[in-house]
Amino acid sequence: EAQVTQNPRYLITVTGKKLTVTCSQNMNHEYMSWYRQDPGLGLRQIYYSMNVEVTDKGDVPEGYKVSRKEKRNFPLILESPSPNQTSLYFCASSLVSSYNSPLHFGNGTRLTVT
Amino acid sequence: DAKTTQPNSMESNEEEPVHLPCNHSTISGTDYIHWYRQLPSQGPEYVIHGLTSNVNNRMASLAIAEDRKSSTLILHRATLRDAAVYYCILRANSGAGSYQLTFGKGTKLSVIP
Repeated sequence: EAQVTQNPRYLITVTGKKLTVTCSQNMNHEYMSWYRQDPGLGLRQIYYSMNVEVTDKGDVPEGYKVSRKEKRNFPLILESPSPNQTSLYFCASSLVSSYNSPLHFGNGTRLTVT
Repeated sequence: DAKTTQPNSMESNEEEPVHLPCNHSTISGTDYIHWYRQLPSQGPEYVIHGLTSNVNNRMASLAIAEDRKSSTLILHRATLRDAAVYYCILRANSGAGSYQLTFGKGTKLSVIP
């Protein structure tokens, strides 16, 4: 089944403790992206990647890192999480060959930083 | 991405048609209009997209105004499973900007049994 898989689904951590949220897709998509969703603010893009070893900042990249060493994986790294990064995170992927290829989203990771 | 304006919420009776409006008065000539929806506790899912002509697929229809400054997503028979937040997004048709999608707050659709 074609899908975007995020892990974990839920994560509670403390300020400053490095964490990684994994994202994997099995559709051979070149494009991958991370979003955060907060009440009243909608979905905001954090980082995106057009292909392996190519990443770029979205609208809210501060406090986050990403890497794209393989086509299928696009982990989101929080080196020193803070409470304002408590949010619902979504990973998405898409083909690059067609600009109107739909985005496929994972089911989300709910992160709480205390 | 150009901005879109949608009502915060709408209600529909089950099995009735639903028309979800979206205003995008600053749309450029090459922007596509995309719709996504987000069911409770899930990630957004693609619904439909179009450029100028009206579009139909198995999920919905998209009606685009002649001047392209507005569009309407049509669900022909709302079911309880259609209760979701619906997002109208403008997407550039070229360059990296086509992948920097801006999701607004969307319209929360409630379906009444």
